[in-house]
Amino acid sequence: AQKITQTQPGMFVQEKEAVTLDCTYDTSDQSYGLFWYKQPSSGEMIFLIYQGSYDEQNATEGRYSLNFQKARKSANLVISASQLGDSAMYFCASPHYNTDKLIFGTGTRLQVFP
Amino acid sequence: EAQVTQNPRYLITVTGKKLTVTCSQNMNHEYMSWYRQDPGLGLRQIYYSMNVEVTDKGDVPEGYKVSRKEKRNFPLILESPSPNQTSLYFCASSLSVGLGNIQYFGAGTRLSVL
Repeated sequence: AQKITQTQPGMFVQEKEAVTLDCTYDTSDQSYGLFWYKQPSSGEMIFLIYQGSYDEQNATEGRYSLNFQKARKSANLVISASQLGDSAMYFCASPHYNTDKLIFGTGTRLQVFP
Repeated sequence: EAQVTQNPRYLITVTGKKLTVTCSQNMNHEYMSWYRQDPGLGLRQIYYSMNVEVTDKGDVPEGYKVSRKEKRNFPLILESPSPNQTSLYFCASSLSVGLGNIQYFGAGTRLSVL
């Protein structure tokens, strides 16, 4: 994808509730992929989940799932049963078709409260 | 344990004093890259390497050098650091290039140039 947009600078969710983090993308590629990464306050960048444009099913990894809507060019991350440890920045990203450089969105800061 | 290891995690230095940030992966990955993360600018790619002895510039290569003499290592060299290179740096690697290849990140290196 050429551009990734995350329109939610911050989100709050209560523990044990589900939350959806939005991501839209702009691409002219026929095939592409979308990643979600988590960046806790300690700074590391942790891979969460991947969706390929050619995948028929929405990706799931434990409590993380991707609500992939190709026609709307959206790849929203759904976190079920939020935990305090989910508090972090979340980035949506997509690789450039030629160089595999990751194009990142601006991120969403999620805060989970008890 | 499969991982991307960066050292050091934190570094404070002075203008003009050459430094090297090391990056090593134990997953036999072909593709490696360096990013820097700055507030308001997001993550930007500095250099990438598709294999041993194959490196290329990313979006912000000025002031940096890299080398890829062995598959597992991809050091980032700042020959004459300047304050505008104060940033959070990430090394990333993936098995290969192309769709479906997940890029795994190191824990990050926080660099301050005084």
